[in-house]
Amino acid sequence: EAGVAQSPRYKIIEKRQSVAFWCNPISGHATLYWYQQILGQGPKLLIQFQNNGVVDDSQLPKDRFSAERLKGVDSTLKIQPAKLEDSAVYLCASSLEPSGSRTSGANVLTFGAGSRLTVL
Amino acid sequence: RKEVEQDPGPFNVPEGATVAFNCTYSNSASQSFFWYRQDCRKEPKLLMSVYSSGNEDGRFTAQLNRASQYISLLIRDSKLSDSATYLCVVSAGYNNDMRFGAGTRLTVKP
Repeated sequence: EAGVAQSPRYKIIEKRQSVAFWCNPISGHATLYWYQQILGQGPKLLIQFQNNGVVDDSQLPKDRFSAERLKGVDSTLKIQPAKLEDSAVYLCASSLEPSGSRTSGANVLTFGAGSRLTVL
Repeated sequence: RKEVEQDPGPFNVPEGATVAFNCTYSNSASQSFFWYRQDCRKEPKLLMSVYSSGNEDGRFTAQLNRASQYISLLIRDSKLSDSATYLCVVSAGYNNDMRFGAGTRLTVKP
């Protein structure tokens, strides 16, 4: 089974520039998550999709961050304009079903390798 | 109060030691609980799910205490390869998101 694919793996930009990250989840996984992980901290949820609909984006800084999941498969996360504090690893994860699923194992998250962003 | 709190660590233990991590959560409606392992500069990977009755997987034992709202992870006979950051993950309700703790760093030394 192919895993969660993310690109690019690394990106260096200057503040006020824009950047986009791409994620392709595991085939058949309905739920897709974007997390931000700052060095030394745990992953922080930015947005959760169920198929192509947004379930939770309460922690997404909507003035500069946007995300979409067209056709309920691939997803892109965009930052525009970037700030120094956006330097982090952006992790995409997918699960077969939403987090509250009662089906054993269906809500387990599988992560991609992440996209490491450095904002100078 | 943070939604998910963990022992900050770091924990430095010799090979063969037993080490325990605790994690507390604030949402009493939480339903799913997990421990993930994250190696340096790698993505988190599932270590084990945590069930109400407690569960064991080899040298690893996870327990859940709903009344006190905490989960624990016990590692017996520590190996050098157990060195990693251990992340506590809690989910509350259908369609609710998975919330991660800040992680506890473990270093097992020869």
